[in-house]
Amino acid sequence: AQKITQTQPGMFVQEKEAVTLDCTYDTSDPSYGLFWYKQPSSGEMIFLIYQGSYDQQNATEGRYSLNFQKARKSANLVISASQLGDSAMYFCAMREGLVAGANSKLTFGKGITLSVRP
Amino acid sequence: GAGVSQSPSNKVTEKGKDVELRCDPISGHTALYWYRQSLGQGLEFLIYFQGNSAPDKSGLPSDRFSAERTGGSVSTLTIQRTQQEDSAVYLCASSPQGYTPYEQYFGPGTRLTVT
Repeated sequence: AQKITQTQPGMFVQEKEAVTLDCTYDTSDPSYGLFWYKQPSSGEMIFLIYQGSYDQQNATEGRYSLNFQKARKSANLVISASQLGDSAMYFCAMREGLVAGANSKLTFGKGITLSVRP
Repeated sequence: GAGVSQSPSNKVTEKGKDVELRCDPISGHTALYWYRQSLGQGLEFLIYFQGNSAPDKSGLPSDRFSAERTGGSVSTLTIQRTQQEDSAVYLCASSPQGYTPYEQYFGPGTRLTVT
């Protein structure tokens, strides 16, 4: 079974509007972290936001926020006030275990392409 | 400060040849990871080094793949007898050690094409 599922086809959003990118995950480990990365056409992976499984509040970083619904095992990324530079591939990833150790690898979803229209 | 660097940025090789890909992590980062990204796909974990511990090799797809990390810093990923299915972008990442789940910082990748 896939551990990270990103099923949305290519997403489109109008500049300055908000958009939600979906991510569901599957793990039996009570301790885990969820990450979102952005990959522009240039190819570099850019860290956006992190949510720990024990965090009580949803994570926010500037225009990015993570809608964490633990019972539903979803960790959707919300981008507010979209900009043209937000056009990229977005990956959701999970790390099982919160302490740097043997399970520190990230498991990635297949990604979602976001296009921002002017 | 300097980020993760990888070399070469592009590598074209003939099927059956061996290739070496290099990764220079961020100074002071004790954890180093290799991932592979095939066209239009997510990242696939290959191998993970943490300090002096034995590496986690669970993601290596075959015994043609190996990696080493010398002096706790630079790492080399070696692919022997390359096959066309090895064509992908190979990404290296590093992160600091600790109890806070630090994000991984990625390098620009090496695009490998096997002809």
